[in-house]
Order: sequence, then C-alpha cells, then structure tokens
Amino acid sequence: ETGVTQTPRHLVMGMTNKKSLKCEQHLGHNAMYWYKQSAKKPLELMFVYNFKEQTENNSVPSRFSPECPNSSHLFLHLHTLQPEDSALYLCASSQDPYGSYEQFFGPGTRLTVL
Amino acid sequence: KNEVEQSPQNLTAQEGEFITINCSYSVGISALHWLQQHPGGGIVSLFMLSSGKKKHGRLIATINIQEKHSSLHITASHPRDSAVYICAVRGGEHTGNQFYFGTGTSLTVIP
Repeated sequence: ETGVTQTPRHLVMGMTNKKSLKCEQHLGHNAMYWYKQSAKKPLELMFVYNFKEQTENNSVPSRFSPECPNSSHLFLHLHTLQPEDSALYLCASSQDPYGSYEQFFGPGTRLTVL
Repeated sequence: KNEVEQSPQNLTAQEGEFITINCSYSVGISALHWLQQHPGGGIVSLFMLSSGKKKHGRLIATINIQEKHSSLHITASHPRDSAVYICAVRGGEHTGNQFYFGTGTSLTVIP
C-alpha cells in the first residue's frame, strides 16, 4: 500500500469515550502532521513530528494526545472530548517539517462527538 | 485578521473559462503551498513555491515575494476542477516557522 492512510475513516464517540486515530505513511518521510478541519474554518495545524520527536504543539488541549512510535506511524489519542471537537482530522507527511517540500495528506477521519 | 487571505471565497465558472484565485499573506515566508480539497475531504498538494512560477498541466502558480501575493490559474477549466483551493504559507524563522492557512476558495465549474 502506498501514500498516507488513516483509520478509521469515520468515528462517532461519546464525551466519556477513549478512542485513537491512526495514520501510516509509506513514503519514507521524516515529518508527520495532525490537522483539524472544522466547518467554515481554515485548516488548523495541531502537532508536528520530525523523526519521532514532537517539534510543534499549537496550544492543543490535553484531551488530544499524540504518539509517534516511529517515523511511519502517528496516532492521536482522544479522551473526554467535547462536541465542538467534531471535525475532520487529517494526517500528512513530508520530507521535512519546515514546509520546504510538499505535504502528502491522508483521506481524513470524520469525527463526531455526541 | 488571518495571516493568509484568499479571494474570491466562492467562484462559479463555465467550463472552458480561465480561472484565477488569489492569495495574499502578511508574514515573511519560507514557502507557499497551494492545496486542492475535493468534496470527500481528501487534500492534494498542487504546488510548493518559494519564488517565480510553476506549471503543471492546466494549472499555473505564481508568487511575488515583494508583494506577498500568489495566484493560482486554471486554464480551460473543467467540471472535475470543482473543489476547494487552499493557500498555505510556512512562515520564516522570525515567526517560529509557523504554518498559516487561508480559508479556501470554493470553485464550481459548470458544464
């Protein structure tokens, strides 16, 4: 399988649930990203990882917890979310985390928090 | 005020028309990206620019660093070009290398 894959594609969860989003890239990239896209709002960069190390955390609430066990896999652990966290969560990867190369995006996970 | 402004927000064109989408930004940048998002949500990177002009098929992207402005042109537009086009910039070191995104331009091409 090639490119950037994300699972699940759709997720409905209650505010007390704990769930995880998974992203995997088969492109040999060193940098991976989590983005949030809410309706009518610009894309929001949440986290950046470079060689498994977190290099950016854009003031994301602690109910979102990223994990990058290796440069090919990225997780976003979710717990005690709020309805306003309902959005499309996109993963991306690139050769470096500095915007010098194009980013390759996964298909996204459509999250609904009830 | 958003660091990246796009215009127009919405655009409807007849098939075959020449289309221009504009992006202005207010920060010093290291790179500018044009992204395409189809209704299903998937995003594709179209161009990454730091200067000049790039062309890929019917798409042309230009950037003027001094004027802090970029344009995306689509020649001979087709209904399959219907999508949201997003301008994104990577700020320079003085901005902490932050990413900034425009709100997108929604393009509909009518057959």
